[in-house]
Amino acid sequence: GESVGLHLPTLSVQEGDNSIINCAYSNSASDYFIWYKQESGKGPQFIIDIRSNMDKRQGQRVTVLLNKTVKHLSLQIAATQPGDSAVYLCAEKPDTGANSKLTFGKGITLSVRP
Amino acid sequence: AAGVIQSPRHLIKEKRETATLKCYPIPRHDTVYWYQQGPGQDPQFLISFYEKMQSDKGSIPDRFSAQQFSDYHSELNMSSLELGDSALYFCASSQRDSGGVADTQYFGPGTRLTVL
Repeated sequence: GESVGLHLPTLSVQEGDNSIINCAYSNSASDYFIWYKQESGKGPQFIIDIRSNMDKRQGQRVTVLLNKTVKHLSLQIAATQPGDSAVYLCAEKPDTGANSKLTFGKGITLSVRP
Repeated sequence: AAGVIQSPRHLIKEKRETATLKCYPIPRHDTVYWYQQGPGQDPQFLISFYEKMQSDKGSIPDRFSAQQFSDYHSELNMSSLELGDSALYFCASSQRDSGGVADTQYFGPGTRLTVL
């Protein structure tokens, strides 16, 4: 079946460096993508989203890039801080209808070294 | 800002018992989603409701049922609990935008269900 997946299970970065978290998706019909941050025992926290008619979107310290040609999504975090340590989840909306579910990829753990 | 509220936060049940999880969406959000997250797993979609009607269904066991009430809160009812039902259960809510497309799903803190 179609799925969203992450290339690497863990990522360790030095505090102050930039982080890049990658995600591959396989459903070319997906029109909406979201990055969530999940801390241990807590619910996924919205970070940033992007629609398929865009290839880049910036937020506060975060940028999401969408490459529809190779079905690749990435999250860039600038000046990574210890508070950024968490599991990051990419999700896609594979169905074009409203109120449709999200399909999540396997989370990647970001560990920030002081 | 108001967030999604879930209750209880923790629940311990025995096998074959029943459980009811509650979700209160963000004010003015009209859609509620339920997800199950097993240990070390990504969230898996169970079911969703829009304006009190079921709108989408995922891998929800027949032992589970859910509904959305007139005040938009939702309840997930789980019967004949099994050990494998132990997981985090998240509720998310969203609001359709003016174009009729669902907006971002915001998640609650989850209910941790432990079945002994």
